[in-house]
Amino acid sequence: GAVVSQHPSWVICKSGTSVKIECRSLDFQATTMFWYRQFPKQSLMLMATSNEGSKATYEQGVEKDKFLINHASLTLSTLTVTSAHPEDSSFYICSARETSYEQYFGPGTRLTVT
Amino acid sequence: EDQVTQSPEALRLQEGESSSLNCSYTVSGLRGLFWYRQDPGKGPEFLFTLYSAGEEKEKERLKATLTKKESFLHITAPKPEDSATYLCAVRQGAQKLVFGQGTRLTINP
Repeated sequence: GAVVSQHPSWVICKSGTSVKIECRSLDFQATTMFWYRQFPKQSLMLMATSNEGSKATYEQGVEKDKFLINHASLTLSTLTVTSAHPEDSSFYICSARETSYEQYFGPGTRLTVT
Repeated sequence: EDQVTQSPEALRLQEGESSSLNCSYTVSGLRGLFWYRQDPGKGPEFLFTLYSAGEEKEKERLKATLTKKESFLHITAPKPEDSATYLCAVRQGAQKLVFGQGTRLTINP
């Protein structure tokens, strides 16, 4: 149980374009979904928290106009990186929680902006 | 401010050599301490949640313990497949997790 998927697992895009990453909870309904960013050999940095049907709450320093989050249903959240630049290249990971406080993580999406 | 510090940063063991990883935390009222395992290029995998001092949880060769200031992840007779980065996190506020920097564990055959 508690399986979270992400799509795509890796993506390469050109500078200035936008890319969308999907996060799905496969066998449970997610009360809340979270988006993290991770740089090589560093820990996870929370970007935003989202609840189904409401606006995401962004962490300090995260540009909400650049990282658009949509939590359309209890099993799906999307992160869109708009006008991507090379500095946005990173490993993006989503997580989801049901009613308990454990977060279950997706496999991650490697974004490379050229 | 809530803080989580993990040590050592990296640990290399021989297969079968037991050891412990440390997670020290500073929080105003612990509402959950979480251990995760992360393999390279993958998302973290949930291992344990601990809520109160004295609590212990086990899973195969792993045992997590909790005191009022720190948590330990004990690894007994590890195998090469136990090699990974182990992350510790505490719950902050309603549901956010604050992660430590992790311990990179390598088990040599």
